[in-house]
Amino acid sequence: NAGVTQTPKFQVLKTGQSMTLQCAQDMNHNSMYWYRQDPGMGLRLIYYSASEGTTDKGEVPNGYNVSRLNKREFSLRLESAAPSQTSVYFCASMRGGENTGELFFGEGSRLTVL
Amino acid sequence: GESVGLHLPTLSVQEGDNSIINCAYSNSASDYFIWYKQESGKGPQFIIDIRSNMDKRQGQRVTVLLNKTVKHLSLQIAATQPGDSAVYFCAETLSGNQFYFGTGTSLTVIP
Repeated sequence: NAGVTQTPKFQVLKTGQSMTLQCAQDMNHNSMYWYRQDPGMGLRLIYYSASEGTTDKGEVPNGYNVSRLNKREFSLRLESAAPSQTSVYFCASMRGGENTGELFFGEGSRLTVL
Repeated sequence: GESVGLHLPTLSVQEGDNSIINCAYSNSASDYFIWYKQESGKGPQFIIDIRSNMDKRQGQRVTVLLNKTVKHLSLQIAATQPGDSAVYFCAETLSGNQFYFGTGTSLTVIP
């Protein structure tokens, strides 16, 4: 049982390049999330998908797009990377349907934008 | 957005002692609170949660206390072990979809 799987684990980009972070969960969860984690800032929500077919902005959506490809997969795209997007990105999933906060996180994707 | 902060960024305790990690939240309407543990190089892991209609909840070696009057949340870890060394985050939510995380407290357990 893999849980939440993120790829790639590490990536270096040049300013202006684009890339997509992939996330897949095998727990049949309804809700999926993308967070970024910066030193001293905790985790900040970028986008989330409460259910297949829906996506909503979180606290810091600018510069990102997401796609809920199916119930398992939720991708995060940077169209034109900027140094300010250097961060560790975490995908998470939650069963949903109740007010429960048990988010299951992936191992993280460390992105550096030069 | 919400403001969830921690009083102390770092905490060192002796193995076997009890640890208390504190968290302040700003939105009095938040109705659900969660503590997560993050070990180095890993994603956060759920520890324990509490709803706003409760003031205390106990798990295995952990207790969460909620004081809505002063908008304060704490995590108590009994008989702290080296494996408890990690960064601890509190999170709050009103809608059940958007969870707002604090900045984290780094706990170091001294053998």
